[in-house]
Amino acid sequence: QVQLVESGGGLVKPGGSLRLSCAASGFTFSDYYMSWIRQAPGKGLEWVSYISGSTSYTNYAASVKGRFTISRDNAKKSLHLQMNSLRVEDTAVYYCAIDRAPRSYFDYWGQGTLVTVSS
Amino acid sequence: DIQMTQSPSTLSASVGDRVTITCRASQSISSWLAWYQQKPGTAPKLLIYDASSLESGVPSRFSGSGSGPEFTLTISSLQPDDFATYYCQQYNSPTWTFGQGTKVEIK
Repeated sequence: QVQLVESGGGLVKPGGSLRLSCAASGFTFSDYYMSWIRQAPGKGLEWVSYISGSTSYTNYAASVKGRFTISRDNAKKSLHLQMNSLRVEDTAVYYCAIDRAPRSYFDYWGQGTLVTVSS
Repeated sequence: DIQMTQSPSTLSASVGDRVTITCRASQSISSWLAWYQQKPGTAPKLLIYDASSLESGVPSRFSGSGSGPEFTLTISSLQPDDFATYYCQQYNSPTWTFGQGTKVEIK
């Protein structure tokens, strides 16, 4: 069965960096776009970034563009999010999800990993 | 970016009630809309995609309708397991956006 497991969250100071990972199993990873979606404590959902199966296409929300970089390793079936210049407002649970591009709804989600940006 | 506005923000209802949640896009998104259910401490669950297609395994009491800028999610007979927060999401533009959520509470 499809499984997505995020890791790498934690506490970081403003201006710091963190790299999130998502281990995928149960499906042909390289066939699918993947997205990161976040949810600040007590708030709604915010799409962050997607990457195509071949890694040729990426896109970012305006709020993270230039600071976050999405990548994937199809051989290792893993997805990553490099987060630099972190801000307090980046504090959230970060989910990875299968992105059914070109109709980009999300039918499988990981359990999420919490990133806390605080001094 | 396309803005998604849900109403109401909170809804109080009883088991057996028919419940309708509305989602309005700031511009036409054709039928590129999904609905999710989220319970506290868990990841969202896909209910509806392409505005009206029921995801496999989702009970038939859930239905979606609409196109262009306005959409609805209907629960025909609210069950105890349905008390949760519901989000719409558009995937028409190159960046995807969610509504702010509608919390369905027990009356």
